[in-house]
Amino acid sequence: GQNIDQPTEMTATEGAIVQINCTYQTSGFNGLFWYQQHAGEAPTFLSYNVLDGLEEKGRFSSFLSRSKGYSYLLLKELQMKDSASYLCAVRDAGGATNKLIFGTGTLLAVQP
Amino acid sequence: SAVISQKPSRDICQRGTSLTIQCQVDSQVTMMFWYRQQPGQSLTLIATANQGSEATYESGFVIDKFPISRPNLTFSTLTVSNMSPEDSSIYLCSASPTGGVYGYTFGSGTRLTVV
Repeated sequence: GQNIDQPTEMTATEGAIVQINCTYQTSGFNGLFWYQQHAGEAPTFLSYNVLDGLEEKGRFSSFLSRSKGYSYLLLKELQMKDSASYLCAVRDAGGATNKLIFGTGTLLAVQP
Repeated sequence: SAVISQKPSRDICQRGTSLTIQCQVDSQVTMMFWYRQQPGQSLTLIATANQGSEATYESGFVIDKFPISRPNLTFSTLTVSNMSPEDSSIYLCSASPTGGVYGYTFGSGTRLTVV
């Protein structure tokens, strides 16, 4: 079965750092993705991890531990525009579809 | 990365009718995917659309309710059949990565309201 969990909501202050966690139990694994989704818009790709460790891209970093079934997205120097939903997704290695299975999503509110 | 045009962007439909949603990709992609997103919720995969073969449906979704077409590598449709108010949701299509880009891209979504 597939189980991908994230905190439902988080609140942080402008200029601060926030870490959004994702734990997963899936039948197959071929990479973990993070997406940002503003209300009423399509998800946009943030990061991709397939090996253990940290991937850094500007203010955003993503970490993966395959043995622990754990990832986090780190957002630094928070801005008001970072208020959005953040979605963790696992690419299923089973079959030939390479489908993405999404977690529950985390709604981040950045306050002044 | 690929750019996807999805239409309609929104529609209000009568129960018992059907609506077909179209997605056009600006480049050839191997796989396309259809998701449903309830208000305030995450994305739930409906099916994977394969070119030249039948779509692969996830548990809880059936072809009679959500028939899918994938006539070529740049186009797919999802039909929501015999609609009920419970089908009110946002429907999104997605395409697998191409050209060395990792991220899956998404259409802008179709907001469906069934009355």
